[in-house]
Amino acid sequence: DTAVSQTPKYLVTQMGNDKSIKCEQNLGHDTMYWYKQDSKKFLKIMFSYNNKELIINETVPNRFSPKSPDKAHLNLHINSLELGDSAVYFCASSQAQGLGNTEAFFGQGTRLTVV
Amino acid sequence: GNSVTQMEGPVTLSEEAFLTINCTYTATGYPSLFWYVQYPGEGLQLLLKATKADDKGSNKGFEATYRKETTSFHLEKGSVQVSDSAVYFCALRDTGFQKLVFGTGTRLLVSP
Repeated sequence: DTAVSQTPKYLVTQMGNDKSIKCEQNLGHDTMYWYKQDSKKFLKIMFSYNNKELIINETVPNRFSPKSPDKAHLNLHINSLELGDSAVYFCASSQAQGLGNTEAFFGQGTRLTVV
Repeated sequence: GNSVTQMEGPVTLSEEAFLTINCTYTATGYPSLFWYVQYPGEGLQLLLKATKADDKGSNKGFEATYRKETTSFHLEKGSVQVSDSAVYFCALRDTGFQKLVFGTGTRLLVSP
């Protein structure tokens, strides 16, 4: 069983479109994240949710809106896509808010290409 | 704020060579430290971790020791294999915050 699964794996779309990426974890974790990896492999957190509540919202354009219907799911919706949004987006999850020694488990990533 | 600095790559080695990838960090408090590995076309996998000073994390022949006095967590392996070719990320997680802070990643290329 896949621990953290994201769909789709690849997404090619035109500028101006709206798209969503879905993420599900079956690890029973409380906390989920979205990270963005740019073309130079740099990873930066975008959002974090704990038990469906937003706890981290880094400086991300308002066009990006996360939604967590339950603690096992964290989806990412992107409006009015721009060329600069092209990247690999990773979903991750971890257990126990506040316990710094717990590692995060990552999905396989969604490669978004905006043309 | 918290940050992680890794040596720039790529690091190019021949099979069976000794590997060191340097990582230093800046953090308040007592962070936990991690090494993640990303194989081509895949997501990140935890390679090893250490949660307090002088802890040594190890896995698959890789080791790293949490050095508080030098704020470092260097990754080492005695004999690399072609299959170790990947991008390696050093990361820290502060107990007060719910995010991992990553270094820029170091690409390792191992040739036969």
